[in-house]
Amino acid sequence: YELTQPPSVSVSPGQTARVTCSGDALPRQYAYWYQQKPGQAPLLVIYKDSERPSGIPERFSGSTSGTTVTLTISGVQAEDEADYYCQSADSSGIFVLFGGGTKLTVL
Amino acid sequence: QVRLQESGPGLLRPSETLSLTCTVSGTSVRSYSWGWIRQSPGKKLEWIGYIYYTETTHSNPSLNSRVSISVDTLKNQISLQLTSVTAGDTAVYYCARVEAGATPVYFDFWGQGTLVTVSS
Repeated sequence: YELTQPPSVSVSPGQTARVTCSGDALPRQYAYWYQQKPGQAPLLVIYKDSERPSGIPERFSGSTSGTTVTLTISGVQAEDEADYYCQSADSSGIFVLFGGGTKLTVL
Repeated sequence: QVRLQESGPGLLRPSETLSLTCTVSGTSVRSYSWGWIRQSPGKKLEWIGYIYYTETTHSNPSLNSRVSISVDTLKNQISLQLTSVTAGDTAVYYCARVEAGATPVYFDFWGQGTLVTVSS
């Protein structure tokens, strides 16, 4: 079982970036999103598909549709350039999985 | 404020046992569940395992029985042991607090990570 993400997404500042994550168990399991900048630890930006932790800007949002979850960053800023990883689990909900990561480039 | 700091040997020889410690401040290890994640150079995150506050553990099947995770409540630390290491275990190792109230669990606070290199 895998979580599949596009390797890269590019957007211009101010535009909307969408990062997708696909997996067969996603209709039954929550998905989470992490932002990782070079040399830093991952930072949780979305939990339970669409909830935003305290301190995360409102421009970060999450949604789900069938076997695909989407991280949307509205009004992208240069500081949003990072790798983004989705996380969920297999159908048991016990064994954690990470997607392969998507490099967001702000042009 | 919750802070996690990983520590351990930076260099191991093949077949040795990796032992890492994560020192937690700002909260008690008794109150939460804790996990370990690693990231090979230039590669994706890989879940290693987690330990519930009940001391039940779950680990990545791909690591088979090589993984052991424990909690030391007196020192407020979490430990990871990975036996019979190979070059494929070279990675940055992160400890993280687990939010166990959701299914599946997720990781809401992370340490800065420690690089472990396996080389002869």
